Amino acid sequence: DTAVSQTPKYLVTQMGNDKSIKCEQNLGHDTMYWYKQDSKKFLKIMFSYNNKELIINETVPNRFSPKSPDKAHLNLHINSLELGDSAVYFCASSQSRGPSGNTIYFGEGSWLTVV
Amino acid sequence: DQQVKQNSPSLSVQEGRISILNCDYTNSMFDYFLWYKKYPAEGPTFLISISSIKDKNEDGRFTVFLNKSAKHLSLHIVPSQPGDSAVYFCAATMNRDDKIIFGKGTRLHILP
Repeated sequence: DTAVSQTPKYLVTQMGNDKSIKCEQNLGHDTMYWYKQDSKKFLKIMFSYNNKELIINETVPNRFSPKSPDKAHLNLHINSLELGDSAVYFCASSQSRGPSGNTIYFGEGSWLTVV
Repeated sequence: DQQVKQNSPSLSVQEGRISILNCDYTNSMFDYFLWYKKYPAEGPTFLISISSIKDKNEDGRFTVFLNKSAKHLSLHIVPSQPGDSAVYFCAATMNRDDKIIFGKGTRLHILP
């Protein structure tokens, strides 16, 4: 069983559309994350939730809205998609807050292409 | 503003030899450092970490060295194996913080 699973793995969509990427972890972790890896290969944190509570919102446009219905799920909804949103989006989770001593487990990534 | 820098985008090493991946950081507040390994079409996986109170941490074939005065860390893999071919991300954080800052990664090729 995949520990952190995200869907879809590949998504091609037109500018202006609204799309969602879903993420689920079956590790019993309290903390979940969304990371973005852009065309320059930088892997940057976007959001972090701990027990369904938002704890990191890293200067991301408000077209991006994370939703955590329960602590095992953290979905990412993107409104009015732009070309610059094309990237690989990684969901991740860890036992609790704070990277020190808490291994972060990543999903396989969702390749989003906006055309 | 790159706080974590991996200046070598790629590195090729003969199988059986030592691979050394380097990483520099600019923020002196960082006190915990991590290395992640990533295969194509997969998410990064945790490899090894080191706290700033140490200068070396070893786990099997992998050793991370930290030089705080130089704000430099390195990952040594010995002996290098074909399965080590991957992208390696250096990352840093402050112990009480929730954010990990990643470098751009170094692609390691292990040559037969």
